[in-house]
Amino acid sequence: NAGVTQTPKFQVLKTGQSMTLQCAQDMNHEYMSWYRQDPGMGLRLIHYSVGAGITDQGEVPNGYNVSRSTTEDFPLRLLSAAPSQTSVYFCASGTTKGGYTFGSGTRLTVV
Amino acid sequence: AQRVTQPEKLLSVFKGAPVELKCNYSYSGSPELFWYVQYSRQRLQLLLRHISRESIKGFTADLNKGETSFHLKKPFAQEEDSAMYYCALTSLGNTGKLIFGQGTTLQVKP
Repeated sequence: NAGVTQTPKFQVLKTGQSMTLQCAQDMNHEYMSWYRQDPGMGLRLIHYSVGAGITDQGEVPNGYNVSRSTTEDFPLRLLSAAPSQTSVYFCASGTTKGGYTFGSGTRLTVV
Repeated sequence: AQRVTQPEKLLSVFKGAPVELKCNYSYSGSPELFWYVQYSRQRLQLLLRHISRESIKGFTADLNKGETSFHLKKPFAQEEDSAMYYCALTSLGNTGKLIFGQGTTLQVKP
């Protein structure tokens, strides 16, 4: 039981490049979410999903896309990276019965 | 709209002193509140969930609906409590949208 696995752990992108941050969970959790963590801003919700095929926007969705084709996977896509997207990204999964389990994070730098 | 406010960015106390980390929320429905902790460069971990009314690592938190607060308390701080603490809110029964506050760094000095 690996919990929530995020890849990659570190990434440097050039402005305008695209990439996908991967997130997988093996706990059969219904809910999955993506957050970005910035100094002084706490964790801000980007997108979330309540089940396969269902996604919704969070607090800061602009510049990011998601899809949930399976219960296990919830990738986050940056279509055209900008320096403002430099951040630490956390994926989390949870259920109605308990709190969320977080991944170890992806540190993204956009230059 | 859901909103969580943690008014203190940094709380510094001496070992053995009491600790209170403040959390206020705004939510029109029935809320479910959590406290998460993040030790240096580690992933977030669930510390407390208000409906379970547990005490974890000596920490407790009581939901005060009148004051819309969920403050985290510990009577005697330990150095290993030094970490970032986040208060979080979702609707009762957890609809999948979990919103966090800005976080408070707790520094426990020897």
